[in-house]
Amino acid sequence: GQQLNQSPQSMFIQEGEDVSMNCTSSSIFNTWLWYKQEPGEGPVLLIALYKAGELTSNGRLTAQFGITRKDSFLNISASIPSDVGIYFCAGPNTGNQFYFGTGTSLTVIP
Amino acid sequence: DVKVTQSSRYLVKRTGEKVFLECVQDMDHENMFWYRQDPGLGLRLIYFSYDVKMKEKGDIPEGYSVSREKKERFSLILESASTNQTSMYLCAIRQGATDTQYFGPGTRLTVL
Repeated sequence: GQQLNQSPQSMFIQEGEDVSMNCTSSSIFNTWLWYKQEPGEGPVLLIALYKAGELTSNGRLTAQFGITRKDSFLNISASIPSDVGIYFCAGPNTGNQFYFGTGTSLTVIP
Repeated sequence: DVKVTQSSRYLVKRTGEKVFLECVQDMDHENMFWYRQDPGLGLRLIYFSYDVKMKEKGDIPEGYSVSREKKERFSLILESASTNQTSMYLCAIRQGATDTQYFGPGTRLTVL
């Protein structure tokens, strides 16, 4: 299936720094989802966005649904070591399936 | 909270064995999915089901079959396991009202 373009592919940051990542698509989405996956675990839903322009927070995480409906952004403020993992975006297609981003691997250096 | 459970976290099987992976959800959702996840290849859809006894092939159905006899349970079957089916298997549900997908904890399958 189609993959969403996600960047950056990986990030190495110092504890306390802010993190930004984004996801783009060639087609329009009505929903954007952001997940975090730790090694050996299933993806955990962090934030769901349902409306163009929407800005939603979950603790130190903030995600935005791009106004064109073809992109979305995730920011993590004041990173901590437990933020380590792979973050990926996803969106449902008009059928019953989902498209997934290629993932951003985050490493936080204490 | 949506709860998706998978029958095993880790499984080791031998080539040629028949393998059953089970997924159970607790909220009466119609749509259920099986993915496999491999390094560098991301999540790939194997099969999904949109209702009891209804199924559709995903991107990589070869070597797999599925069963959905009850709404809450979706099983993935490897008829004759092969080493190239060593992978992380993830079950998911789609919450129809919000178009949101929730995943189970995953089953790490190793085929020797």
